[in-house]
Amino acid sequence: AQTVTQSQPEMSVQEAETVTLSCTYDTSESDYYLFWYKQPPSRQMILVIRQEAYKQQNATENRFSVNFQKAAKSFSLKISDSQLGDAAMYFCASFTGNQFYFGTGTSLTVIP
Amino acid sequence: DGGITQSPKYLFRKEGQNVTLSCEQNLNHDAMYWYRQDPGQGLRLIYYSQIVNDFQKGDIAEGYSVSREKKESFPLTVTSAQKNPTAFYLCASSHRVHSNQPQHFGDGTRLSIL
Repeated sequence: AQTVTQSQPEMSVQEAETVTLSCTYDTSESDYYLFWYKQPPSRQMILVIRQEAYKQQNATENRFSVNFQKAAKSFSLKISDSQLGDAAMYFCASFTGNQFYFGTGTSLTVIP
Repeated sequence: DGGITQSPKYLFRKEGQNVTLSCEQNLNHDAMYWYRQDPGQGLRLIYYSQIVNDFQKGDIAEGYSVSREKKESFPLTVTSAQKNPTAFYLCASSHRVHSNQPQHFGDGTRLSIL
């Protein structure tokens, strides 16, 4: 079975600082895609960033970037210059074998 | 603005009662999905549909049923056979099923047992 593991149930970061959320995945497929979704208190899931496994370059979206280590099957999310609005639940997900798989989430608190 | 609308936001079910959660999208997406979210667990797929009048079971379909009579609508019925229905339910859509395109999500429905 495909699995996505987020080992940090909760994280906190000081406003304006940088935080990294961890994610590892397990797949035997060579072609797959990885995502980070954000779920704020409003509960709507929002796509943060996406990475194609065949691309070596790490994806970046403004203050959000990933560290994609394919050999280690690791896909961490770095949030720079953290803002109060970044406080949310973050889910790591993979698309592999024609299906999405989600991790259990990391709850991020931003401290003013 | 295009998006996914789930209703109601909160729903309560009595023992032995069936309830239906609504999901409507105006994104012109072919594929639609229902997920269940429990504390400490990731999203688990209940059902998905790639086209009108077609749907497939996901990982935890027992006790649930769906229909897809219109492209825009994918209602989920939680039947009395679902013994532990208390959860947060998320509906999602994407251009195609079995696609790597990101899914768009609704705001969710929280179902509780009276």
